[in-house]
Amino acid sequence: GAVVSQHPSRVICKSGTSVKIECRSLDFQATTMFWYRQFPKQSLMLMATSNEGSKATYEQGVEKDKFLINHASLTLSTLTVTSAHPEDSSFYICSAHTRDIYGYTFGSGTRLTVV
Amino acid sequence: RKEVEQDPGPFNVPEGATVAFNCTYSNSASQSFFWYRQDCRKEPKLLMSVYSSGNEDGRFTAQLNRASQYISLLIRDSKLSDSATYLCVVNDMRFGAGTRLTVKP
Repeated sequence: GAVVSQHPSRVICKSGTSVKIECRSLDFQATTMFWYRQFPKQSLMLMATSNEGSKATYEQGVEKDKFLINHASLTLSTLTVTSAHPEDSSFYICSAHTRDIYGYTFGSGTRLTVV
Repeated sequence: RKEVEQDPGPFNVPEGATVAFNCTYSNSASQSFFWYRQDCRKEPKLLMSVYSSGNEDGRFTAQLNRASQYISLLIRDSKLSDSATYLCVVNDMRFGAGTRLTVKP
């Protein structure tokens, strides 16, 4: 089946630094990638949708300059949390979609802690 | 109004019970509907898609009511392993808040 590899699975960083999260589709081409954030005991909140080769579409209230998304190829999308602050600590997860495969495949998530 | 809303939960049921969750959506033009299951600190996994005519997969039955704009998930003969958070998803991967289910011995 379709697999999305997400790295790192866990990261601790200092306040003010930037963190890059990668999602790779291993055996299919992901035309669209969704990025989510999930706080404890809350649902997944869609942050942005990216299509390969074009700019990401951000949800209302999500700062595009803080959460940089790059979807440069059909197998790789990255989310960079810039100038991270403790309130950015959360579970970040990607989901890939391709027209060739029905449904959506999730990465295993990244637990970010900003200290 | 939120795009997708779910029963608040939590649901605590004994083994063997039948439990049903509902999820309402606000966009009448919505075309695709899914139920996902999420275990604690893990990524969501697709449980089943929801078709217009309703569909069944073993102990799980999903239904769509377009007139009232809601989807439902019915779990029969619940098992301990069914304990998880169930999320409904509408259209462009917009998730409901999730309903937590705990099945007890």
